[in-house]
Parts: sequence; C-alpha cells; structure tokens
Amino acid sequence: AQTVTQSQPEMSVQEAETVTLSCTYDTSESDYYLFWYKQPPSRQMILVIRQEAYKQQNATENRFSVNFQKAAKSFSLKISDSQLGDAAMYFCAYVRSNFGNEKLTFGTGTRLTIIP
Amino acid sequence: DGGITQSPKYLFRKEGQNVTLSCEQNLNHDAMYWYRQDPGQGLRLIYYSQIVNDFQKGDIAEGYSVSREKKESFPLTVTSAQKNPTAFYLCASSMTGLSNQPQHFGDGTRLSIL
Repeated sequence: AQTVTQSQPEMSVQEAETVTLSCTYDTSESDYYLFWYKQPPSRQMILVIRQEAYKQQNATENRFSVNFQKAAKSFSLKISDSQLGDAAMYFCAYVRSNFGNEKLTFGTGTRLTIIP
Repeated sequence: DGGITQSPKYLFRKEGQNVTLSCEQNLNHDAMYWYRQDPGQGLRLIYYSQIVNDFQKGDIAEGYSVSREKKESFPLTVTSAQKNPTAFYLCASSMTGLSNQPQHFGDGTRLSIL
C-alpha cells in the first residue's frame, strides 16, 4: 500500500521569508500524481499545486513551487515571500495513474504559522 | 458560482441515532467522495462514487452508508453502528474518477456526539 509521510507536524516562518515543507512517499509505481493541498482555518481544502511523475520539470504556481525527486520519492513544497494568508495546514497527497477507481492517499499534514 | 455545498456546518448526534450529511455540487462532476478528518491524521476515504447509482467503499466504510441517485448529490449517513463518529467530514468531487483530475472540496461538516 502506498504511504505518504510528512515529518514536520508544525513549521513557522517570518513573513516575506521562504519556507520548505517536506513530503516523502512510498510506492512501487512509476506513473502517479502528487498534490499539495492547503487547509486554512476555514477548513476548506484548496489545491495548491500538482506534479505528474512522468514530468521531470518541477511544477510552479506563482509563489509556490515543488522539488520533486523521483528516485528519492520526495516531494517538498517551497513557499516564497510568505504571506499571512499562507497560514494553514498543508497536506501532501499521492495517487497512482489509472483509468478509474484510484484514491488519494494523504499525509498527516504540516501546520504552517506565519510570524508577522 | 460553481462549487460544493455541505450542510449542516455543525451536527450533533445522540446515541443510537442515524444522521445524514448533505453534499451537493453544481460543477457537473461525475465523481464524488467522502472523507473523514481526525486531529493529527490525514484525510481518510469513506466512500466514493464515479457515476450515478454506483459507489464503492473506501478505507473506513464501516458504520457509514451513501447513495448516489442524482449526479449533483452524494449524501452520507452516519449510522448508529459507527461507534466513534466525532470528526470533521469533507465531501469532494472531481470531473471524472481519473487520478489526474484534482478534487474540489466543500467546507466540511463537524459532527459531535451529544
């Protein structure tokens, strides 16, 4: 079974600084997708960024970027120029590529605090 | 605006009572999901449905039931058989059940025991 591990239960960063959240996963598959979701205090889960395993180029969305290391099974999220609105729980998730009936496996989350 | 609506936001259950959590989406998505979130844990899949009138058990289906009579609706019933129902419940949908489609989430329902 696939597992996703987020080893940092809590992180904090000064506003405007850069922070990196760690995620590792275990799989025997070669084709899969990885996601980072953000859950602010309002509790709604919001997709931050997505990475396809077959793409070597790291995904980027504005201030959010990933460092995808396929051989090491690592998928870290870098947030640049941290803003107060970035404070949230961040979940890493994995799903193998399929033609149906696959499900997301989530990590346990990292709580990010932004220090003004 | 298109989105997923969960209701109620807070729900209380008495011992031995069944309760139903509502999830409605107007995104015209085929696939819908129910997750349970407990403190210190990631989301765990309860049930999912990829098409109307069809659904499959997730990792923790015991004590729960669902129906999918309409494309836009996927209600979750927490039965009296679920002995530890206190949790935050999230409903999600995706355009199809294919894994490359991101899931969109509702605002959740917090269920507590009276």
